[in-house]
Amino acid sequence: KAGVTQTPRYLIKTRGQQVTLSCSPISGHRSVSWYQQTPGQGLQFLFEYFSETQRNKGNFPGRFSGRQFSNSRSEMNVSTLELGDSALYLCASSPTAGSGQPQHFGDGTRLSIL
Amino acid sequence: KQEVTQIPAALSVPEGENLVLNCSFTDSAIYNLQWFRQDPGKGLTSLLLIQSSQREQTSGRLNASLDKSSGRSTLYIAASQPGDSATYLCAVSDDKIIFGKGTRLHILP
Repeated sequence: KAGVTQTPRYLIKTRGQQVTLSCSPISGHRSVSWYQQTPGQGLQFLFEYFSETQRNKGNFPGRFSGRQFSNSRSEMNVSTLELGDSALYLCASSPTAGSGQPQHFGDGTRLSIL
Repeated sequence: KQEVTQIPAALSVPEGENLVLNCSFTDSAIYNLQWFRQDPGKGLTSLLLIQSSQREQTSGRLNASLDKSSGRSTLYIAASQPGDSATYLCAVSDDKIIFGKGTRLHILP
C-alpha cells in the first residue's frame, strides 16, 4: 500500500508570491491534516480536512488555506508569502476524522522563501 | 492551553545502552499520546500510540508509558543501536494534536 505522497518535495519562492502544496493520502484514508515544522516553533497544526470539509483549524493567519477533493487528496495554499513561512510542511492522513486517530505522515514539502 | 515539553533536547549515548526519553504535558484531558521518530529531511514515523485508558505500549525494543495524572510519558529504548539515531517527538491529542519539540538522539558506535 502506498504511503502518503507530498509534492513537490522542494520549493523556492520569493516574498509576496503564493504557493500550492499537494498531498495524496493513503488509499482509503479520508482525513488529511497539515502541519508546519520550523526549528523555532517545532511542529504546529494547520488544519484538518475530512469529507471535503475543514474540520479543525490551528492558529494561523488567513493566508493559509486548504481544500480537499472528493478522492481525499488535499491541497494547501499560502498567499502573500513571508520570510517566516520558510518551513517543512507535513501532511498526515488517517482513516477517519478526529485527533484520536493514528496519523501517517508524508515526507513533507520543504518551502524556502527568498 | 495544552503544552508539551520534551527533555532533554539532545542526548548522546554509547551503543548498547538502555535509555529513557521524557515527555510532559500540562492538560491531562487527552485522547491519546503518540511517539514518533523523524529522520533528517523526512516525515514522521509513528512508533507507539497509547490510548488515554492505557498505561503502556510495547513494540520490539521500545516501551512507552503514560501517566495521565502526572502528565508524563516516557519512551524506553533497550539495547540502543546506531540506527536508532533520530529525533523523537511525542504528541498528545485533545481536540487537536500538540507536539513537543523533540529529543535529538545520537547513538555513538
